[in-house]
Amino acid sequence: GQQLNQSPQSMFIQEGEDVSMNCTSSSIFNTWLWYKQDPGEGPVLLIALYKAGELTSNGRLTAQFGITRKDSFLNISASIPSDVGIYFCAGQLSDSWGKFQFGAGTQVVVTP
Amino acid sequence: NAGVMQNPRHLVRRRGQEARLRCSPMKGHSHVYWYRQLPEEGLKFMVYLQKENIIDESGMPKERFSAEFPKEGPSILRIQQVVRGDSAAYFCASSPVGVGELFFGEGSRLTVL
Repeated sequence: GQQLNQSPQSMFIQEGEDVSMNCTSSSIFNTWLWYKQDPGEGPVLLIALYKAGELTSNGRLTAQFGITRKDSFLNISASIPSDVGIYFCAGQLSDSWGKFQFGAGTQVVVTP
Repeated sequence: NAGVMQNPRHLVRRRGQEARLRCSPMKGHSHVYWYRQLPEEGLKFMVYLQKENIIDESGMPKERFSAEFPKEGPSILRIQQVVRGDSAAYFCASSPVGVGELFFGEGSRLTVL
């Protein structure tokens, strides 16, 4: 079946460092969403991408919709302690409105 | 979380009982989605509803699970005769018409004893 691969699974970084994570698939998507989830909470939408090649920023976060439409990445620059959490990518197939596939998540730990 | 309201936040049921989870979408949103999350995993799509219509239920187990979004009132995810494997966090999301952004609620955490 279809699979969305998110990596890395976890990252341990020092405050001030940049963070990169990505999602890849063999399927073609028409929308990519990036979420952050804290323990016991719901996912919070960070960035939405709708066009191949699109590069979008939200503060220190930057995400790109891969040109092949099969991948996306998220960068966090100059990490701070509150960046701790699990980040998920979600991709929507062209013929499946509302039906997003989620990656398994990237756990980010920031140490002072 | 942008106004999607879910209740209860926590629900404990014994095997064989019924679980009802409710979701009120954000104001102005007419599309509702239910996703399930197991510990340390990503979310899995269950069902997509609009008012009085099930649009896509391809992620819903064929038995014991049902969902509705009536003309008035919240969307309901109903699990009959719960089993231990139903223990999970169930998240509801909503979106406005024609926009592919999902806004999630805080989730309902079901524990089956």
